[in-house]
Amino acid sequence: TQLLEQSPQFLSIQEGENLTVYCNSSSVFSSLQWYRQEPGEGPVLLVTVVTGGEVKKLKRLTFQFGDARKDSSLHITAAQPGDTGLYLCAGDDEYSGAGSYQLTFGKGTKLSVIP
Amino acid sequence: EADIYQTPRYLVIGTGKKITLECSQTMGHDKMYWYQQDPGMELHLIHYSYGVNSTEKGDLSSESTVSRIRTEHFPLTLESARPSHTSQYLCASSPDIPNQPQHFGDGTRLSIL
Repeated sequence: TQLLEQSPQFLSIQEGENLTVYCNSSSVFSSLQWYRQEPGEGPVLLVTVVTGGEVKKLKRLTFQFGDARKDSSLHITAAQPGDTGLYLCAGDDEYSGAGSYQLTFGKGTKLSVIP
Repeated sequence: EADIYQTPRYLVIGTGKKITLECSQTMGHDKMYWYQQDPGMELHLIHYSYGVNSTEKGDLSSESTVSRIRTEHFPLTLESARPSHTSQYLCASSPDIPNQPQHFGDGTRLSIL
């Protein structure tokens, strides 16, 4: 069973601060996805990274996929209260063949941005 | 835009009742999934399906059952609800293509008294 370790598990910061969330594994993934989930809703995809070393930006969010495709990070610049939520990383299995039947989800980072 | 729908959104019901949670998607996705999640906590995969007439158990053992008679529909059933079944249940779907995201419904919050 592949595992994705997310850290930190909880993070509470003031509005305007920067933060980084990490997603690490000993396994190689063909791609890695980041989701955000708000209370009472299902997770929503933020980004998919596919290439080792890839960096993607989504407004104030920067996502990086490790060179070896075993880890990823999410950096938020100048956090805002609207960024509050549960951030989940999920890896698609490198070796399961075309079309993995399930993603491996991390346990999530619960972010609270205080106004 | 919600292309995957779960009903009911909330359900409070007594012990011993039979419950069916509905999940439908209009995207034509072959793969569908059920997750169990306590509020703000990690997702646990309890069932998944590759397509019509295909169902598999996930990583977390569950007393629930699922069926996949039509591509768009993936209901989850609890024959006799117990307080330990209290949780949020999330349904998701994805196409049978590598590196594609899962699309989630907004979940059913189930409380068994």
